[in-house]
This record gives sequence, C-alpha cells and structure tokens, in this order.
Amino acid sequence: NAGVTQTPKFRILKIGQSMTLQCAQDMNHNYMYWYRQDPGMGLKLIYYSVGAGITDKGEVPNGYNVSRSTTEDFPLRLELAAPSQTSVYFCASRGRGGEKLFFGSGTQLSVL
Amino acid sequence: GQQLNQSPQSMFIQEGEDVSMNCTSSSIFNTWLWYKQEPGEGPVLLIALYKAGELTSNGRLTAQFGITRKDSFLNISASIPSDVGIYFCAGQLYGGSQGNLIFGKGTKLSVKP
Repeated sequence: NAGVTQTPKFRILKIGQSMTLQCAQDMNHNYMYWYRQDPGMGLKLIYYSVGAGITDKGEVPNGYNVSRSTTEDFPLRLELAAPSQTSVYFCASRGRGGEKLFFGSGTQLSVL
Repeated sequence: GQQLNQSPQSMFIQEGEDVSMNCTSSSIFNTWLWYKQEPGEGPVLLIALYKAGELTSNGRLTAQFGITRKDSFLNISASIPSDVGIYFCAGQLYGGSQGNLIFGKGTKLSVKP
C-alpha cells in the first residue's frame, strides 16, 4: 500500500537550473496538492488540482508550474531555480468529499 | 492570507507529563485536523474534527473543536519519548476552497526520558 510517493528524496540545484519533482498516488484520489515547508513557517500551498486536466494556484505559486495529465501523477516543475526555493516540498492527496490529506515523505531541495 | 495561530511554538517536557497545545483564528472553520510530523517524513493525520464542540480521542490524544468554530486544542496524556515531533493544526475555512486547508506553524514537542 504505497499511498503518496515522492521522488527524489533530496536534490541540490544550482541557481537557474530546472527540475521536476515527481508525485504519484495509488489511492484513486481526485485532489492533489503541493506544499512547501520552511522552518518554523508551517505548510504553504503552491498549487493544487481537483482532477486530471485541472490545476489552480495556491498561496505561493510564483516560480513553479504543475500539470495533471493523469489521476495518479502531479509533477511540480521549477524552471529557473532560485535560492528562495530552498525548502522541503510535500505532495498530498485526498479523496472526493473528504478533508483528510495524505502526505508523501517529502523532497528536500537546496538551491545554491 | 488567512492565519491560524498555533501555540506554543515549542515545548520541552518530562516523560509522563501531559501536553496541551491549541490553535486559534479570527475566522470560522468547518473542519479541524491535527497532524504529527516526524523528522524526514510528511505529516500524518492524528485526529479529524467535523462539528463544533466535538471531542475526539485517539489513544492518549484528545482533540476538541471549539464551540465558536474558531479554535481547537490537542491534549496528549502521559507523554512518552516517541511523542517527539512537530504537531500541526489545520483547518478548512467555512466558505473556503473545497479541501484547501490552512496550516498552523506547528508545535515542536521534545520529551525528556
């Protein structure tokens, strides 16, 4: 029972590089989310999706892009990495009609 | 944006002590959730609350949905070393985007054996 799977676990980027953080869930959940977690700041919503083909901005979307071509996958793209994007990124999902979010184990990203 | 005020920010307690933390807001919430995060892992749901006044337990953990719908608290009784972690409250705003939760900044709990 995998739940929400995120890859990679750790990544170091140089300023200006790009990368994609992968997220997949096997619970047939419609709703998927990307959060970033900075020390002492809780979780901030970057983007979310209510179903395949539908995405929307959260609280802190600048510098990121997402796509949702399938129910299972919700990748997060950083096009031009900046030091301000150093953070821990969490993907989460939930089923329709429920508020309980299930989280992946996170991706720790450093931009140097 | 909307904010949840979670307190205390951190706690250092002795094993066996009881713990209490809370979240407050100026806004009304439909749902309150409490999560625990251990180092290197994502948050894991502990307790979910769905109506004002609701009191729910999960083992040594007890949480309540405030009558005013603007607050919630979490109690841990007889703490043990494995209770160490960061505890987050999260709420879904009344009238807010479906399923989009607002998170508190967390309470970091340290338990001394």
